[in-house]
Amino acid sequence: GAVVSQHPSRVICKSGTSVKIECRSLDFQATTMFWYRQFPKQSLMLMATSNEGSKATYEQGVEKDKFLINHASLTLSTLTVTSAHPEDSSFYICSARGDRGKDTQYFGPGTRLTVL
Amino acid sequence: GESVGLHLPTLSVQEGDNSIINCAYSNSASDYFIWYKQESGKGPQFIIDIRSNMDKRQGQRVTVLLNKTVKHLSLQIAATQPGDSAVYFCAENRAPNGQNFVFGPGTRLSVLP
Repeated sequence: GAVVSQHPSRVICKSGTSVKIECRSLDFQATTMFWYRQFPKQSLMLMATSNEGSKATYEQGVEKDKFLINHASLTLSTLTVTSAHPEDSSFYICSARGDRGKDTQYFGPGTRLTVL
Repeated sequence: GESVGLHLPTLSVQEGDNSIINCAYSNSASDYFIWYKQESGKGPQFIIDIRSNMDKRQGQRVTVLLNKTVKHLSLQIAATQPGDSAVYFCAENRAPNGQNFVFGPGTRLSVLP
C-alpha cells in the first residue's frame, strides 16, 4: 500500500522546451503532494507543496512561473518545467500525503531530467 | 524547505554487524521524525517514524532513538545486510500541521562483505 508513481522515469530534452512530470498516488487519495529536487550526492530540497484544488505554495527561491504545478485531483499532481535549461537538469521527486497516516509522506521513484 | 549541500558522510560496516546512523535536527519544536532509505536512482523509501512523545521505536531489524534534550535522532540497523547499502535521510516535521518536512544531509551506508 501507499504507492506513488512518477512518469516519466527519465527524460532528455533540448534547451528551451518544456517538460511535464506526472505524480500519481495509486492506492490512496493524496490531499497534499510535494515536489522535491535533488542534486547528485545532496539531500532533497523541497520546491513546492500543493493541495488538491488550490494553488501550490512555493519555497523561497523557486520560480513559480518556471515550475508550474497542478494538483487537479486527489491522485494526480503534475510539475511542468517550462523553457528548460541545462541548469534545470536534476532528479525530481514527488511525495504524497493523504489518508494513509496523518503525517507520513510516501515518495515516488523520481524522474531524471537532462536538458541538453 | 531547506537542504544542506554537503558531501555525504559515509558509514562502512561489515555484513552482519549492527549499524548506527546519526542525525542532528535543529528545531526543538519538531514533533515528528522519519527515516528514509534511498537507493541510487530511486526515490526515498519510508523505513520508520517516531513522534516526539516517544524516545524509542522498533521495527523489523531497525530501531529509532530520539533524544530531544540534545536534538538527536539515530537509526540502528541490526545484522546489516548488503541490501541495506543506501543513503539514509532523517526528516523532521517543522510545521504544526505536518506540511513541511526538512531533510538532513544524508549518510551513505556501505556494507562490506
